[in-house]
Amino acid sequence: GAVVSQHPSRVICKSGTSVKIECRSLDFQATTMFWYRQFPKKSLMLMATSNEGSKATYEQGVEKDKFLINHASLTLSTLTVTSAHPEDSSFYICSARTGFSYNSPLHFGNGTRLTVT
Amino acid sequence: AQSVTQPDIHITVSEGASLELRCNYSYGATPYLFWYVQSPGQGLQLLLKYFSGDTLVQGIKGFEAEFKRSQSSFNLRKPSVHWSDAAEYFCAVAFGNEKLTFGTGTRLTIIP
Repeated sequence: GAVVSQHPSRVICKSGTSVKIECRSLDFQATTMFWYRQFPKKSLMLMATSNEGSKATYEQGVEKDKFLINHASLTLSTLTVTSAHPEDSSFYICSARTGFSYNSPLHFGNGTRLTVT
Repeated sequence: AQSVTQPDIHITVSEGASLELRCNYSYGATPYLFWYVQSPGQGLQLLLKYFSGDTLVQGIKGFEAEFKRSQSSFNLRKPSVHWSDAAEYFCAVAFGNEKLTFGTGTRLTIIP
């Protein structure tokens, strides 16, 4: 089946540094990718939606200058957390699909655990 | 705004017992409905989905869910749980091409 590879699975960084998380669709072309943030014992909160070749659409309350999303190809999207702070520590998950509606299956990566010290 | 409610934060069932996880949504129209499962430290796996048609939907791993329009519910069921079913379960809804909204999840614990 379709696979979404998310890397790294865990990262620890110091406050003030930037961290890049990659999300790759391994065997399909991802027209649309989504980035979620999940707090402990909480649901997934959509951060942004990115369509290949265009700027990401951020959800209300998400700082686009802090969470940089690039979707440069049909198989790769990246999320860069810039000038990370301890409050950015969280579990980040990407998902991808081939179409523009929910008739197209949505495939999730295994997530990235970010810890900012 | 659309919303999804999973009333049960944590459920414990004995292995071999039946299971029902509740999910309610609020919106005027019928949404796309999904159930996902998440193992610790992992991403989400789709168990089943409902778009239209037969209101009883069969999914993977022996799960099923029933859409009840009158109750705005989409409860997940399994007749006999296995220890490997212990995980976090998320109900999610989407309307048209709008974003997927997740419930807060139900953590399932299985006891021998």
